Amino acid sequence: RKEVEQDPGPFNVPEGATVAFNCTYSNSASQSFFWYRQDCRKEPKLLMSVYSSGNEDGRFTAQLNRASQYISLLIRDSKLSDSATYLCVVNGFNKFYFGSGTKLNVKP
Amino acid sequence: DTGVSQDPRHKITKRGQNVTFRCDPISEHNRLYWYRQTLGQGPEFLTYFQNEAQLEKSRLLSDRFSAERPKGSFSTLEIQRTEQGDSAMYLCASSSMGGQILPGANVLTFGAGSRLTVL
Repeated sequence: RKEVEQDPGPFNVPEGATVAFNCTYSNSASQSFFWYRQDCRKEPKLLMSVYSSGNEDGRFTAQLNRASQYISLLIRDSKLSDSATYLCVVNGFNKFYFGSGTKLNVKP
Repeated sequence: DTGVSQDPRHKITKRGQNVTFRCDPISEHNRLYWYRQTLGQGPEFLTYFQNEAQLEKSRLLSDRFSAERPKGSFSTLEIQRTEQGDSAMYLCASSSMGGQILPGANVLTFGAGSRLTVL
């Protein structure tokens, strides 16, 4: 079983739409959680950390459910520039585990 | 500080040749990670260092792969006797240890990667 599982998509949405991505992780002892964004043929870049109480950064909202071992990312008012692959990342015992990524295509 | 640097950015080699990649992390970061990424997959953990000590190595990593971080600063990843299945993007990332109050504590910052093509 993979450490982190994500729906690969792609999610094809129109500009202005709200879209949600989910991710599950297998190790209940995981300590910290993140969403990274990766553009085609580029390196992953940190989008936001995910905190137990949930957190928001502009149009992006992340939620963590430790009991269900589930992480989510909500993007409101999608922009063309949001088109990318979104990677769910879990840190346990100093190792960072990545999901396979969910691809988002925002269409005009 | 210009972030994490990797060299070369692209490498094309013939099967059986040895290749070496270099990573220069963010200078204040004491942890350095190597990942491998193939198309359509997320980065896969290879190994990591805390200062000069290699603390963990993936069981998936064959003995053809070796990594060093001799002075706790830059790191090299060498692949011996390359195979076509080694073709991938090799990503380096750095992080500071959790107890340090520094930007990037417990967060990975990646370099642009070294893309390897084995013919």
